[in-house]
Amino acid sequence: DGGITQSPKYLFRKEGQNVTLSCEQNLNHDAMYWYRQDPGQGLRLIYYSQIVNDFQKGDIAEGYSVSREKKESFPLTVTSAQKNPTAFYLCASSYYGGGSGNQPQHFGDGTRLSIL
Amino acid sequence: QKEVEQDPGPLSVPEGAIVSLNCTYSNSAFQYFMWYRQYSRKGPELLMYTYSSGNKEDGRFTAQVDKSSKYISLFIRDSQPSDSATYLCAMKTGANNLFFGTGTRLTVIP
Repeated sequence: DGGITQSPKYLFRKEGQNVTLSCEQNLNHDAMYWYRQDPGQGLRLIYYSQIVNDFQKGDIAEGYSVSREKKESFPLTVTSAQKNPTAFYLCASSYYGGGSGNQPQHFGDGTRLSIL
Repeated sequence: QKEVEQDPGPLSVPEGAIVSLNCTYSNSAFQYFMWYRQYSRKGPELLMYTYSSGNKEDGRFTAQVDKSSKYISLFIRDSQPSDSATYLCAMKTGANNLFFGTGTRLTVIP
């Protein structure tokens, strides 16, 4: 089945530690996105990538980093510079480019990150 | 002012009721409108995707867009306990970045 796989489902971070969240898709989508979801705040965009080896900051990129070495994969690193990392992290993907730039985003089932 | 406003609820209705969920927005450049359903500890699932004003129906779900009033709605007919979830509205211009409402939590009581 085609879809978006996020792992792990739950992740714990110690103070001063970097952690990496995985996102893989087999939908052949060009664009991938990372969102953070906090209670009462909706989804906020962290980073997005429209093509391999290219990515842009979203609204709340500080303390996060990404890479896009393969079309299928868009890992997110939460660095120690992110002072409030406890949240539900969602990865999404969509087609992008030309007329397909109007396609909706589809989401994975998220990773819940907590601080120890 | 947020670009997208959505009443967070919570909203509780008896099984079989008609549910109305709403969002308002301020950016007249929004052209594409979506409704997502999110169950607890899961990712959002796309329910409806519409372009321009008017209605779109899919089974028990109807999405309505009124661009002149900057107002979108999702109607759920014959609501079921399995419809209990958080419903997120989202919208975008021609670019790919989405703007989300904060979500409305719905409970359908058997």
